[in-house]
Amino acid sequence: AQSVAQPEDQVNVAEGNPLTVKCTYSVSGNPYLFWYVQYPNRGLQFLLKYITGDNLVKGSYGFEAEFNKSQTSFHLKKPSALVSDSALYFCAVRGAYSGAGSYQLTFGKGTKLSVIP
Amino acid sequence: EAQVTQNPRYLITVTGKKLTVTCSQNMNHEYMSWYRQDPGLGLRQIYYSMNVEVTDKGDVPEGYKVSRKEKRNFPLILESPSPNQTSLYFCASSLKAQVSSYNSPLHFGNGTRLTVT
Repeated sequence: AQSVAQPEDQVNVAEGNPLTVKCTYSVSGNPYLFWYVQYPNRGLQFLLKYITGDNLVKGSYGFEAEFNKSQTSFHLKKPSALVSDSALYFCAVRGAYSGAGSYQLTFGKGTKLSVIP
Repeated sequence: EAQVTQNPRYLITVTGKKLTVTCSQNMNHEYMSWYRQDPGLGLRQIYYSMNVEVTDKGDVPEGYKVSRKEKRNFPLILESPSPNQTSLYFCASSLKAQVSSYNSPLHFGNGTRLTVT
């Protein structure tokens, strides 16, 4: 069974500092990895994805994520945090294609990011 | 505007009173899914649908029903709600559950906050 772990329930960072939100995964075969962001009273919004190729993936709002196969990690990063980045972040994984049933996304429990002015 | 629309946004009901949460998407997506979000548990999948008239159980289907009579609509039905179904519910959709669109992200609605007393 596939799984995602987000080891930190909350991350606090000062505005202007770099931020990292951690994610590790477990799947069969090559993973399809996603990051989503949830602002208060809103649904989840897609940020970025890793499918194959370059290990550093760039996404929306200046976010990027680094895929590390040996460590089975897909950490979300941003060079300079903004107060408006404060939100709940979810990592998700889909395992290698093995039929329509393998399409399901498994989500982590989420990490609350607070950017302090 | 491409979107997933859920109604209602907020719902308070009593134990045993049947209710339906509607979900509609205007992107001609084949795949649709329902999740519930609970603190400390992240997102858990309730039911999903690969296409019209094709539905299947997710991780936490007990106490829920779904139907997919048309491509755009995927209502969630609680025949006899109980307090443990108090939660935040999200509907999501994506292109197709097949290998050619395996890297497609999910598009989420804004959520329905359900309270069962």
